[in-house]
Amino acid sequence: DTAVSQTPKYLVTQMGNDKSIKCEQNLGHDTMYWYKQDSKKFLKIMFSYNNKELIINETVPNRFSPKSPDKAHLNLHINSLELGDSAVYFCASSQDPYTIYFGEGSWLTVV
Amino acid sequence: AQSVTQLDSHVSVSEGTPVLLRCNYSSSYSPSLFWYVQHPNKGLQLLLKYTSAATLVKGINGFEAEFKKSETSFHLTKPSAHMCDAAEYFCVVSGPDKLIFGTGTRLQVFP
Repeated sequence: DTAVSQTPKYLVTQMGNDKSIKCEQNLGHDTMYWYKQDSKKFLKIMFSYNNKELIINETVPNRFSPKSPDKAHLNLHINSLELGDSAVYFCASSQDPYTIYFGEGSWLTVV
Repeated sequence: AQSVTQLDSHVSVSEGTPVLLRCNYSSSYSPSLFWYVQHPNKGLQLLLKYTSAATLVKGINGFEAEFKKSETSFHLTKPSAHMCDAAEYFCVVSGPDKLIFGTGTRLQVFP
């Protein structure tokens, strides 16, 4: 069983579209995250939720909106996609702040 | 503020030879430090972590790292490289409420 699963794995879309990436974890963790990895492999946290409550919201355009319907799910919705949004988006979860389990990533390409 | 610097963006070794991936950290308090590995088109996997216990930390797949406070270093080593070790490696330091990732070191292993 996949611990942290995210869909879709690959997404190609046009500028201006709205898209969502879904994430689910079956580890029973209280905290979930979204990370963004750019073309240079630099990885940076975007959001963190603890038990459905937003904990960390880094400097991310408000076109990005996370939604946590329950503590096992954290979805990422992106409005009005721009070329610079092309990246790999990783969902992750943890029970303590230091042992984080990552999903396999969603490759977003905006054309 | 916490930060990590990975001193090499790219390391190449021959199969069967030792691996050394270098990482220096900066932290205003006693840090927790980690190494993560990312294989192509995959998510990140925790290799090992240091959380103020033994300074020599053993991880999965034969990797280990030594915390050296005097040198502010946390270098990753492996005695003998395998082809399957080819991947991107990230050194990570714990911030007050999140993990801070280095820029990554790409390890190539030649037969």
